[in-house]
Amino acid sequence: DIVMTQSPLSSPVTLGQTASISCKSSQSLVNSDGHTYLSWLQQRPGQPPRLLIYKISNRFSGVPDRFSGSGAGTDFTLKISRVEADDVGIYYCTQASQNPYTFGQGTKLEI
Amino acid sequence: QLQLQESGPGLVEPSETLSLTCTVSGGSVSSRQYFWAWIRQPPGKLLELIGTVYSTGSIYYNPSLRGRATILRDTSKNQVSLKLESATAADTAVYYCARVEAGIAIDYWGQGTLVTVSS
Repeated sequence: DIVMTQSPLSSPVTLGQTASISCKSSQSLVNSDGHTYLSWLQQRPGQPPRLLIYKISNRFSGVPDRFSGSGAGTDFTLKISRVEADDVGIYYCTQASQNPYTFGQGTKLEI
Repeated sequence: QLQLQESGPGLVEPSETLSLTCTVSGGSVSSRQYFWAWIRQPPGKLLELIGTVYSTGSIYYNPSLRGRATILRDTSKNQVSLKLESATAADTAVYYCARVEAGIAIDYWGQGTLVTVSS
């Protein structure tokens, strides 16, 4: 299985500042079709996960442009600009390039 | 608007079968564009894919479940179900039903349901 490793596991940030979360995979996430199925999820307290970013850098419907994803191969980053109070929660990276889909440990964003 | 609702017993006896149903509204489990997955998260542990039913009807199971899981798709009821045999305390988790958009990602999740395996 592909292991997804996130850092940091906890990220205290100040309102209005930028938060950055790293995700590294144990092997390349480039699929045989040439795409990289790396996504980022947000889980607010008491809520199910919500898709933010798919295929490294594509924002899902309704996601503010304050959220951006980048990276390639095995190293990926989620950036949250102008952090708001509503951004509090746990952020997960996940890969769907190879079965079984796997998930990172989660990064807790705290204001 | 798409809604996924998991339902089933919140408490299961050890060695019994854990059974859950995901009822889909606002979308069709028969759609060629989407797959349907069961994912769980034990307390304090990683999210884990249990299995996925594809638009063709074929099913992928995570080998970690060692053949204990069965996923079925009922197109007449627009539901996807999960059965996990020989449950143990290690199967205690929040269980999620989720939709996977082909070529995209897991794009929608149900609210999740906590299942505790205990006598």
